[in-house]
Amino acid sequence: DAGVIQSPRHEVTEMGQEVTLRCKPISGHNSLFWYRQTMMRGLELLIYFNNNVPIDDSGMPEDRFSAKMPNASFSTLKIQPSEPRDSAVYFCASIRTSIGTDTQYFGPGTRLTVL
Amino acid sequence: GESVGLHLPTLSVQEGDNSIINCAYSNSASDYFIWYKQESGKGPQFIIDIRSNMDKRQGQRVTVLLNKTVKHLSLQIAATQPGDSAVYFCAETPNSGYSTLTFGKGTMLLVSP
Repeated sequence: DAGVIQSPRHEVTEMGQEVTLRCKPISGHNSLFWYRQTMMRGLELLIYFNNNVPIDDSGMPEDRFSAKMPNASFSTLKIQPSEPRDSAVYFCASIRTSIGTDTQYFGPGTRLTVL
Repeated sequence: GESVGLHLPTLSVQEGDNSIINCAYSNSASDYFIWYKQESGKGPQFIIDIRSNMDKRQGQRVTVLLNKTVKHLSLQIAATQPGDSAVYFCAETPNSGYSTLTFGKGTMLLVSP
């Protein structure tokens, strides 16, 4: 059974450019989470979706960040325009909430470097 | 992954020792607790979980202890191996129904052969 898939694994871009990170959750999972991990702030929840609907985006840093989940098997996190302080590892996680467990399964992450 | 170890508490042990990693949580309404392991360059991986109606749960070489009175969680790893070297995070959630986890800052475990 494939785990959470993220692409790209590494992204290097210049300040001001648009960045799109992609995530494919585990098949059958109905909740999806985007996290950001940095040295200074640890693992932060940015936004999560339940049944493709954004539930809580209070963790999104600012309007430059946006996330979509057009269907149950795909989500994107977009940063436009990107800034050097956005450099971090971005993780996607998914869960099937109907089975009575809250264990989230994480993807391998996308390491973003904004120059 | 990120070099989070520079700002993390670190536990250094010898191979074969038992390791204990501690975590304090603040939300008395938390109902479910998880330990994750994160190796360099990888995402966090589930290790073991426990619900608030239990105070101990055992897995393969790992045991989680929960003390709700003092809001303390610990992860015990028996016969620690070099492959156990990683950053360990505790996470908690109230029974909100939408599974939002709050993660601790993490502890780096270094196992010397």
